Amino acid sequence: GDSVTQMEGPVTLSEEAFLTINCTYTATGYPSLFWYVQYPGEGLQLLLKATKADDKGSNKGFEATYRKETTSFHLEKGSVQVSDSAVYFCALSGAEYGNKLVFGAGTILRVKS
Amino acid sequence: DTGVSQDPRHKITKRGQNVTFRCDPISEHNRLYWYRQTLGQGPEFLTYFQNEAQLEKSRLLSDRFSAERPKGSFSTLEIQRTEQGDSAMYLCASSSKRGGRTGELFFGEGSRLTVL
Repeated sequence: GDSVTQMEGPVTLSEEAFLTINCTYTATGYPSLFWYVQYPGEGLQLLLKATKADDKGSNKGFEATYRKETTSFHLEKGSVQVSDSAVYFCALSGAEYGNKLVFGAGTILRVKS
Repeated sequence: DTGVSQDPRHKITKRGQNVTFRCDPISEHNRLYWYRQTLGQGPEFLTYFQNEAQLEKSRLLSDRFSAERPKGSFSTLEIQRTEQGDSAMYLCASSSKRGGRTGELFFGEGSRLTVL
């Protein structure tokens, strides 16, 4: 079935380090792809999205590019901050899935000062 | 605060008891979703409403689970005869109709259920 696979965490980085969180998906159609973030004590919130191949989503210094050929949507940030410490979820959605979000397991990011 | 609110935030119950969770969505949103999240996993879809109509239910939603949204505003999720396997975080989310199509959901902080 359709699914999302994320790299296992926790990922621990020092402040200003480069971040990559890998995400790959399997899907029968052409889904939209998302990164959601959950900060401590808060609900999930949309970080960025991309709706078609080669689109790049970006927000708050984070970027991810929809790669259809590798079925990937890796999250990157050039210089992380302590405030980026959170759980990051990759997800897909589309009309083929009744517009429901299908989430990966999440990756914990810890940034040390 | 005009975000999605859920109540209670944490419920501890004994196996076999019934529990009910409430979700108040963002007021102008007509879609409301319930998800379940267990430790170390991402949220899994349970059901969603458009206004008061329940349009889809996951196979995860057994007969012991029932969700309602009687006036198209707040929603309740009831679990009857709870089992230890029901222990999880129950997440509510809302969206506009367009947001639902584009995947932009607004989540509450969740209601954590612990079944002893």
